[in-house]
Parts: sequence; C-alpha cells; structure tokens
Amino acid sequence: DTEVTQTPKHLVMGMTNKKSLKCEQHMGHRAMYWYKQKAKKPPELMFVYSYEKLSINESVPSRFSPECPNSSLLNLHLHALQPEDSALYLCASSQTGLPPYEQYFGPGTRLTVT
Amino acid sequence: DQQVKQNSPSLSVQEGRISILNCDYTNSMFDYFLWYKKYPAEGPTFLISISSIKDKNEDGRFTVFLNKSAKHLSLHIVPSQPGDSAVYFCAASVGGNTPLVFGKGTRLSVIA
Repeated sequence: DTEVTQTPKHLVMGMTNKKSLKCEQHMGHRAMYWYKQKAKKPPELMFVYSYEKLSINESVPSRFSPECPNSSLLNLHLHALQPEDSALYLCASSQTGLPPYEQYFGPGTRLTVT
Repeated sequence: DQQVKQNSPSLSVQEGRISILNCDYTNSMFDYFLWYKKYPAEGPTFLISISSIKDKNEDGRFTVFLNKSAKHLSLHIVPSQPGDSAVYFCAASVGGNTPLVFGKGTRLSVIA
C-alpha cells in the first residue's frame, strides 16, 4: 500500500472560519510533510514532522497550525486565512534516515478562501 | 536562488517518439534526485529516482541520466504515450528526510 489519503478533497472557507485538513498513511513512514502548491508553481514546503515531532517549519504564518497525533496521521488546522492562501495543499510521507528518499504524495485538498 | 532548474516550461512530442526532459542543479551537496509526474488537481506521483553514485537508472519506459560534472540530469520517456501528458517535476535532496527541492516543472504534451 503506497497510498496517502487526504480529506477533504475540496474546501471552501470564509476568512473567519476554522477548519482542518487531514492526511493519513499506513506505509510505516515516520516523516510526514505539508506542502502548498499554487497554479503553475512547484510544491512549496510548509512543515516537516519526523517521528511525530515538528522538525521543520518554513516560516509559515501562525494561521496554519500543524499537528501530528500519531505516526499515521497529520493534520493542518486553519484559522483566519486570507484569500491568497487559496491553493492545493499536499501531504506527503517518506521513510526516514537511509535512502531512498521518495516522498509519496496524497491527492491534495483544493482550498478556496473567500 | 533556484537550486533546481527546469528551463523548458513546456515540451511537445509525437506519440511513439522519445521525450527528453532536462533538469539542472547548482547545489553540489545534492545526492539524490527524483522525478515526479503531476496531473491537474492531483498530487505528484513518484516516477523514478537516481542516487549520485550512479549515472543511469532505468524503469520500463523511463530512464534517468545523471551527469554530475555538468550538474545535469534528464528523464527519457520511450516510447511516449498520450497518457504521459502531464507536468514533470525534477526534485533533489541532500539526504535523510531533508526537504525535497523542486524545479518549476515542464509540461509535456504527447500528441497522438
């Protein structure tokens, strides 16, 4: 099973709403990632969790709050977002330590902030 | 400062012919390179990778070549099929679970 699942597939939210994106993998990967992708741009790293601990935060605004409740789950809590935060949010996972370093991506959540 | 560059934003190839997608990098610490394929509104799908100790890796119709001295890699798809039409991202890693550095992507169109 090389699948990373993400819910919801689409999300429309107002600037005052609070919502969460969910990601799940059952490949035994201990590194999980959140990326943001705008149209015609490459994925842009937001956060990395390694062994359920936040190891990288790429200076992401505090209106994005990640959480890793266990080794299979990764959440991204959203609050007071701006219209420019509208994008495809991708979750990925990978093995840790030795190569290979392939990251397996989920299908993404298409977020629209109105 | 772009560490991974894909200088061709788009490429058009006839079905059955070879598609060659190029990627250049500037960071000599990169030791692992990956290619991803992405359809619209989907997450990137891992295609093929190569370690810096190799110069070629092949998987079916896909072959990746690495020229370390030139800091250049290429993805060859032979024969190209209409289903290969997608955006292809080159990515690089310095190792461990450090973040992947992605290029801007090349949109491949395979014409029947």
